[in-house]
Amino acid sequence: KQEVTQIPAALSVPEGENLVLNCSFTDSAIYNLQWFRQDPGKGLTSLLLIQSSQREQTSGRLNASLDKSSGRSTLYIAASQPGDSATYLCAVPSQGGSEKLVFGKGTKLTVNP
Amino acid sequence: GAGVSQSPSNKVTEKGKDVELRCDPISGHTALYWYRQSLGQGLEFLIYFQGNSAPDKSGLPSDRFSAERTGGSVSTLTIQRTQQEDSAVYLCASSLVSGEGNTIYFGEGSWLTVV
Repeated sequence: KQEVTQIPAALSVPEGENLVLNCSFTDSAIYNLQWFRQDPGKGLTSLLLIQSSQREQTSGRLNASLDKSSGRSTLYIAASQPGDSATYLCAVPSQGGSEKLVFGKGTKLTVNP
Repeated sequence: GAGVSQSPSNKVTEKGKDVELRCDPISGHTALYWYRQSLGQGLEFLIYFQGNSAPDKSGLPSDRFSAERTGGSVSTLTIQRTQQEDSAVYLCASSLVSGEGNTIYFGEGSWLTVV
């Protein structure tokens, strides 16, 4: 059964700091991994989708890496800003390329001005 | 609209009543998902629709839960005889389907409180 763990559960940093959020998953036979952002009281916004054939994806100040063999992904946020404050979730298919996603419980990020 | 639309955004209901939650996916998206997010918990898969295929209902927690998708577009999630443990945010999402995963777009959720 696919399980997703995110560490840390919460993180507070000063503005401008670079930071790394971690995601691990138990079944490495996945086709892709996604990182989402959730603001309080809102739905989820997809940030990055990494296919199994890729090792990383970049969007602006965000960079996500995927190491299938070790069952890990990291989300790197450069030069953090207060507007980055949100909960970040990673998700992988329950198996292979299943459309059913298994989510971690998220990392709640606070960037202090 | 441009995004996934859900209604109602908030619903307070009495224990034992039935509720219906509606989802309007992004136009042209063939895949539609329902997830549930309880306080302090991760997202829990409920059901998945893809085109005219039989839906994947494997995540529905009990037979009080059902969902349908009419005309390949709008979906309704129905919870019968609601219980307090059904209180959660019900999130709908849609995507185009391709071979190796798709960006999934979520609505803002329907916040259900059972009192």
